[in-house]
Amino acid sequence: DGGITQSPKYLFRKEGQNVTLSCEQNLNHDAMYWYRQDPGQGLRLIYYSQIVNDFQKGDIAEGYSVSREKKESFPLTVTSAQKNPTAFYLCASSTTGGNTGELFFGEGSRLTVL
Amino acid sequence: AQKITQTQPGMFVQEKEAVTLDCTYDTSDQSYGLFWYKQPSSGEMIFLIYQGSYDEQNATEGRYSLNFQKARKSANLVISASQLGDSAMYFCAMRANYNQGGKLIFGQGTELSVKP
Repeated sequence: DGGITQSPKYLFRKEGQNVTLSCEQNLNHDAMYWYRQDPGQGLRLIYYSQIVNDFQKGDIAEGYSVSREKKESFPLTVTSAQKNPTAFYLCASSTTGGNTGELFFGEGSRLTVL
Repeated sequence: AQKITQTQPGMFVQEKEAVTLDCTYDTSDQSYGLFWYKQPSSGEMIFLIYQGSYDEQNATEGRYSLNFQKARKSANLVISASQLGDSAMYFCAMRANYNQGGKLIFGQGTELSVKP
């Protein structure tokens, strides 16, 4: 079935460690997005990519990095520079970067810093 | 800058009754898209309904309808005949244009609880 796969679903990290969250889609979508969600809050955009080998910072990019070497994959690295990384991370993709058409979301990755 | 405002942190509704979740938006763009998503406790984001800024008729999808009032910049979600499974967080969102990445800008959400 087509969809977006995020892994791992749950991740624990010690302070000072980098961690990479995986996001893979087989929907042949050009655009991909990473969002962060804190408890009881809406989603905030971390990074997005509208085409392979290109990506842009979102509203809260500090302490995060991404790559887009393949159309299907958009991994997110949470670096030690991110001061408060404990959160729920959602990856999404879309057929177009325009304002029509919904974003399809993965099931999310829950990161806890110990 | 684009902004979505949801002023109801929590709502209660009796099973089988209708409920309206409020959403107002702010944008200077003429062309935009408005979306509603449902987020159950499992965390997944489920797309419910879409309204384009040039659509003259309100969008409907089964028990969901979007009350779009362009002049008032509101895009309220109406859920008819509420079911226990409708208990979840609901997010209103606006999609930016391509030159802004086509990103979704979300409101803070409304937590809906359906009472039996």
